[in-house]
Amino acid sequence: AQSVTQLDSQVPVFEEAPVELRCNYSSSVSVYLFWYVQYPNQGLQLLLKYLSGSTLVESINGFEAEFNKSQTSFHLRKPSVHISDTAEYFCAVSPPEAAGNKLTFGGGTRVLVKP
Amino acid sequence: KAGVTQTPRYLIKTRGQQVTLSCSPISGHRSVSWYQQTPGQGLQFLFEYFSETQRNKGNFPGRFSGRQFSNSRSEMNVSTLELGDSALYLCASSPGAGSYSYEQYFGPGTRLTVT
Repeated sequence: AQSVTQLDSQVPVFEEAPVELRCNYSSSVSVYLFWYVQYPNQGLQLLLKYLSGSTLVESINGFEAEFNKSQTSFHLRKPSVHISDTAEYFCAVSPPEAAGNKLTFGGGTRVLVKP
Repeated sequence: KAGVTQTPRYLIKTRGQQVTLSCSPISGHRSVSWYQQTPGQGLQFLFEYFSETQRNKGNFPGRFSGRQFSNSRSEMNVSTLELGDSALYLCASSPGAGSYSYEQYFGPGTRLTVT
């Protein structure tokens, strides 16, 4: 069984400031790791994923996440946020054999970007 | 390409009744997963269907069931509704076999209220 903990339920941040969203997971087997984002009044969409290889993964809109196996973490960062980054962010894991179709989610972190 | 569609979007039912929710995946997608989202428990995986077969299952009671049709459309059924079943039910689709994107595409959800 897997579990995911997102340590911050809400993160207020000023525009152009950096942000870090913390995610820790627990699993007895290897897992794939994901960050999904839910913008206001929209469905969940994939932000980035770690399957294997380089432990630093990046998204097209400036977010990056680093997989740390020893600390079982997959923290999400952005060096400079925009108002449009206001959303709820979910960290998730999936066993490799489920190919990302069986996600265990964390509780989510609401990011509110202030002007 | 049309996204994942879910019907109905909103539903109000009484305790003890049963309910059926429908999900139409993105054209060409063969995997459909269902999730329950509540303020208390967050996002929880219900089950995944692929080629009309349940491929993965979460930890929900047998009152929650699903099926998938030959055109990949899926339905989930909840029998003997309880107040705690009030939730947003999300459907997600992915290509399934032969794809290595490991990305799920989520629908807008069906908001079920049990009174």
